[in-house]
Amino acid sequence: GAGVSQSPRYKVAKRGQDVALRCDPISGHVSLFWYQQALGQGPEFLTYFQNEAQLDKSGLPSDRFFAERPEGSVSTLKIQRTQQEDSAVYLCASSTGYGYTFGSGTRLTVV
Amino acid sequence: AQTVTQSQPEMSVQEAETVTLSCTYDTSENNYYLFWYKQPPSRQMILVIRQEAYKQQNATENRFSVNFQKAAKSFSLKISDSQLGDTAMYFCAFMNSGGSNYKLTFGKGTLLTVNP
Repeated sequence: GAGVSQSPRYKVAKRGQDVALRCDPISGHVSLFWYQQALGQGPEFLTYFQNEAQLDKSGLPSDRFFAERPEGSVSTLKIQRTQQEDSAVYLCASSTGYGYTFGSGTRLTVV
Repeated sequence: AQTVTQSQPEMSVQEAETVTLSCTYDTSENNYYLFWYKQPPSRQMILVIRQEAYKQQNATENRFSVNFQKAAKSFSLKISDSQLGDTAMYFCAFMNSGGSNYKLTFGKGTLLTVNP
């Protein structure tokens, strides 16, 4: 596609529920990133894929967070047993190596 | 670890006037990239301007220009002839050019409001 597409745009989850956030990067972009943006803050790095390989997951805040990109294209960020502190905008970006293109994010609200 | 500081949580400017947003950063690296991103209410982060640290010349993109002071670790954004569509959050960001040259480190942002 022409841009990075993320779905859903909004997600409300009850505490303890599992959620899955989808990112569809620009076709042909090798690199894919997930960032977490808490309210009133700048985005913070979560994880990085090069094709299907997850090369860096140092930013994932806990083992409840899991990301995958099995075929080197679409990526899913999964959060298990959501907690209130997981409420944030989750941004996905893809890159050819020169610059990032971000999606519009998924706003997750845990109630 | 790198840090990026934006000391102005909010700024406002009249349409057609000029405004400068401040950013300082801390790093021990010599080669790196600096960015300004714009985030409107649509939430998409849009690249405004990029500066390579090895270049002494300040980057310019139409109405947007930067004042890059490497020794002072300062990277301010100047917006000339401000337009209503410039209203957004602006984030300063840092990226290493070395081994971990894929992570962006962002500041907390400055909310810019352009008034008619």
